[in-house]
Amino acid sequence: DAMVIQNPRYQVTQFGKPVTLSCSQTLNHNVMYWYQQKSSQAPKLLFHYYDKDFNNEADTPDNFQSRRPNTSFCFLDIRSPGLGDAAMYLCATSAEAGGGDTQYFGPGTRLTVL
Amino acid sequence: GQNIDQPTEMTATEGAIVQINCTYQTSGFNGLFWYQQHAGEAPTFLSYNVLDGLEEKGRFSSFLSRSKGYSYLLLKELQMKDSASYLCAVRDGDYKLSFGAGTTVTVRA
Repeated sequence: DAMVIQNPRYQVTQFGKPVTLSCSQTLNHNVMYWYQQKSSQAPKLLFHYYDKDFNNEADTPDNFQSRRPNTSFCFLDIRSPGLGDAAMYLCATSAEAGGGDTQYFGPGTRLTVL
Repeated sequence: GQNIDQPTEMTATEGAIVQINCTYQTSGFNGLFWYQQHAGEAPTFLSYNVLDGLEEKGRFSSFLSRSKGYSYLLLKELQMKDSASYLCAVRDGDYKLSFGAGTTVTVRA
């Protein structure tokens, strides 16, 4: 089945130690998104790629970076995780932008910062 | 900025009906989505409205009034598995979805 896959499902890192979260998709969608969701809060968009074009949200900290080496894969790099970065990180994809194009989410990676 | 409001919690009995309201004030409007999110899991798509009126999908229906900045999600014949958080999200431009904080629905036997 076509799907959005995130690895790992659970990630533990130490304060200040860089960490990379990965997302892959078999849907062949053009757009990929990264969201941060803290407990009992709404998902917050960090950035998205339309094909190879990177779009950063204005309030996304510089500590968060992203790479999309090909259509199928997208990575979230947290350069120096702080305690406040502990959250669920959700990857989503959509075929195109706008209109009724639905965003399909992966299962998420729960990040713990010690 | 965007402002999307929905109740924090609702409780209902198995077999009953629950209506989750969502009001929004956004800089633009290009569709409204409802997602279901079980604890610790990713959101899953439920419905999409871009024109005024009611969209029905089995036990779930969603309504939109653009002039009032208002939507609701109606869950009928509640089942225990419907216990989850329900997220209202507005697409205000091209790509971006702005989410509400979610409504936690608890279904009791």
